[in-house]
Amino acid sequence: DAGVTQSPTHLIKTRGQHVTLRCSPISGHKSVSWYQQVLGQGPQFIFQYYEKEERGRGNFPDRFSARQFPNYSSELNVNALLLGDSALYLCASSLDWGVRTDTQYFGPGTRLTVL
Amino acid sequence: GESVGLHLPTLSVQEGDNSIINCAYSNSASDYFIWYKQESGKGPQFIIDIRSNMDKRQGQRVTVLLNKTVKHLSLQIAATQPGDSAVYFCAENRRNTGNQFYFGTGTSLTVIP
Repeated sequence: DAGVTQSPTHLIKTRGQHVTLRCSPISGHKSVSWYQQVLGQGPQFIFQYYEKEERGRGNFPDRFSARQFPNYSSELNVNALLLGDSALYLCASSLDWGVRTDTQYFGPGTRLTVL
Repeated sequence: GESVGLHLPTLSVQEGDNSIINCAYSNSASDYFIWYKQESGKGPQFIIDIRSNMDKRQGQRVTVLLNKTVKHLSLQIAATQPGDSAVYFCAENRRNTGNQFYFGTGTSLTVIP
């Protein structure tokens, strides 16, 4: 079975632009989480979605938004890009939500560079 | 502020030796922990987890120890192999935060052949 897939793998944008990142979870998984990983640091939680509803949100500005589709895939949108948004954006999928011991499986990430 | 952090940013070990990677946490609501391995260019990979009602859990070549008194956990890798070279993160989950995980900074493990 395919794991979590993300697209694109790399992206270069300029300040002020908008970006959309995509994630397809493992088949059968209904929950998707997004993390931002700045170089040299651990991933920081951005959002979690389950059954198309936002179930958790980290400490990120409103420029960050996301949604989940009926097929459980997800998009992360970032508006008005800043240099500090340059990072690896990771998507993780899990079977369910609210089951804290439900293992999260990560995708390879999208490397975003903001110039 | 409260954080999950690691004592050592880098660790070098000889192939065949045992490795110990440490992690400290400060939030008393943390009660579920996961160790992840992240290789260059890849997303974090689940290694082993432990709940707060346990103080030790073993997997294949790996053992996680949890000391709730001092808010510390460690990952022990037996007979370290070159393929173990990666960055290792501990991640904590806190009560009433659903599936949100808080990651530490990470420790870079280098295995010397």
